[in-house]
Amino acid sequence: EAQVTQNPRYLITVTGKKLTVTCSQNMNHEYMSWYRQDPGLGLRQIYYSMNVEVTDKGDVPEGYKVSRKEKRNFPLILESPSPNQTSLYFCASSLFGLATTSTDTQYFGPGTRLTVL
Amino acid sequence: KNQVEQSPQSLIILEGKNCTLQCNYTVSPFSNLRWYKQDTGRGPVSLTIMTFSENTKSNGRYTATLDADTKQSSLHITASQLSDSASYICVVSGENTGFQKLVFGTGTRLLVSP
Repeated sequence: EAQVTQNPRYLITVTGKKLTVTCSQNMNHEYMSWYRQDPGLGLRQIYYSMNVEVTDKGDVPEGYKVSRKEKRNFPLILESPSPNQTSLYFCASSLFGLATTSTDTQYFGPGTRLTVL
Repeated sequence: KNQVEQSPQSLIILEGKNCTLQCNYTVSPFSNLRWYKQDTGRGPVSLTIMTFSENTKSNGRYTATLDADTKQSSLHITASQLSDSASYICVVSGENTGFQKLVFGTGTRLLVSP
C-alpha cells in the first residue's frame, strides 16, 4: 500500500532532550516536506527536500534540522526542544519537486503529536 | 502578503443536506488551488486540484469551483454523510522562483449531524 509513515505517533518529552521523528515513504517520491499544525493557524512548512542530499528551509525552520540521505526517509530532528515546539507534525511527499506547473498530489503521513514540557 | 482565508470557520449541517465552503486568496502569481479533507487526528487527504484554466473539478460528492478573476474558490458537498465530518483545507500554490510555494488556509470544520 502506498503510504507515508511517521514514528512515533505521540511523544511527550522535556525541554532540551534531543529527539528525532522519522518519516518514510514507499512511493519513490522525490519531494518530501515537514509541516507543523497549530490551532488557529494553517499548516506551516518547516523544511523540504527536493531530492537526496537536497534540503531547504520552509517558513518556520528555527529549532529544527533535517537530513535526506536516502530517497525514502526524511527525519525531523529537534536538537533542543522547547515548549513552543509543542505541536502536531506532518510529513508529506509528492512525486516531483512541486515544479511550477506540477499538479502532483501531496500525500501526508498520519501525524506526530509532540508535547514538550 | 500571500494569504488564504476560509469561511465559515465551522459549520453544522444535517445528514443528507448540501453545503458550500468558501476560500478567498491573495496569492500571486497563481499556480493552482487544492482542497484537502482532514479527519480528526489524521493527515490531510487530497480532494481536488485545479489550475488556472479549470473552473470546476469533481470528486464524487465533492465539487470544487474556481474563479481566478475574483480569486475565490468553493467546495460544494452534496448529500452529506456522517463521514464528511472533518476539516476542509484550501491550499493555494503560488510561483516562487520557479517552484511552487504552498499557502494553507486554516480550514473549515464541518460537523454532519444525524
